[in-house]
Amino acid sequence: GAVVSQHPSWVICKSGTSVKIECRSLDFQATTMFWYRQFPKQSLMLMATSNEGSKATYEQGVEKDKFLINHASLTLSTLTVTSAHPEDSSFYICSARDQQSGDTQYFGPGTRLTVL
Amino acid sequence: EDKVVQSPLSLVVHEGDTVTLNCSYEVTNFRSLLWYKQEKKAPTFLFMLTSSGIEKKSGRLSSILDKKELFSILNITATQTGDSAVYLCAVRYNNNDMRFGAGTRLTVKP
Repeated sequence: GAVVSQHPSWVICKSGTSVKIECRSLDFQATTMFWYRQFPKQSLMLMATSNEGSKATYEQGVEKDKFLINHASLTLSTLTVTSAHPEDSSFYICSARDQQSGDTQYFGPGTRLTVL
Repeated sequence: EDKVVQSPLSLVVHEGDTVTLNCSYEVTNFRSLLWYKQEKKAPTFLFMLTSSGIEKKSGRLSSILDKKELFSILNITATQTGDSAVYLCAVRYNNNDMRFGAGTRLTVKP
């Protein structure tokens, strides 16, 4: 089946630094990728929809200047958390839509960000 | 190789039917299994299961985990058109790893 990878799987950084998370579709092309943040009690919040070759669409309440998304190729989207603060500590998950298989969304394994 | 497999991939039923969705897994150091319902934007959390044999129930939805046979089922009774969605199973394992299944697309016809 289709595979989506994320890198790194976990990262610890100091407050004020920036962190980049990569999301790759390994065996299919994804014109659309999604970024989620997982909150306590397992809920997932959609942060933004990333479209290859164009600007990401951010959900209400998500700061686009803080969470920079780049989808430069059909297999790679990146999320950069700029000037990270402890409240940004969370589990970030991406998913990629495979249009060749009925728009099925495949989820990545997630990245645990801890900001000290 | 760690994996989470959901079946069936898609399912079409009529209102009032009962459905059973399956999620099997092979991971190291299993921690928990999560069920989500995805309709539009973000998946909505349904259940988290950590112990075998204990049924979790919410209205017409229920789920149970079998850690010996490495699977979980999600039951929906008296289905309604509003139950139409993709149901995702995810497994947490090791210290921080998480893996989603490909989902089961459920369509409930009037």
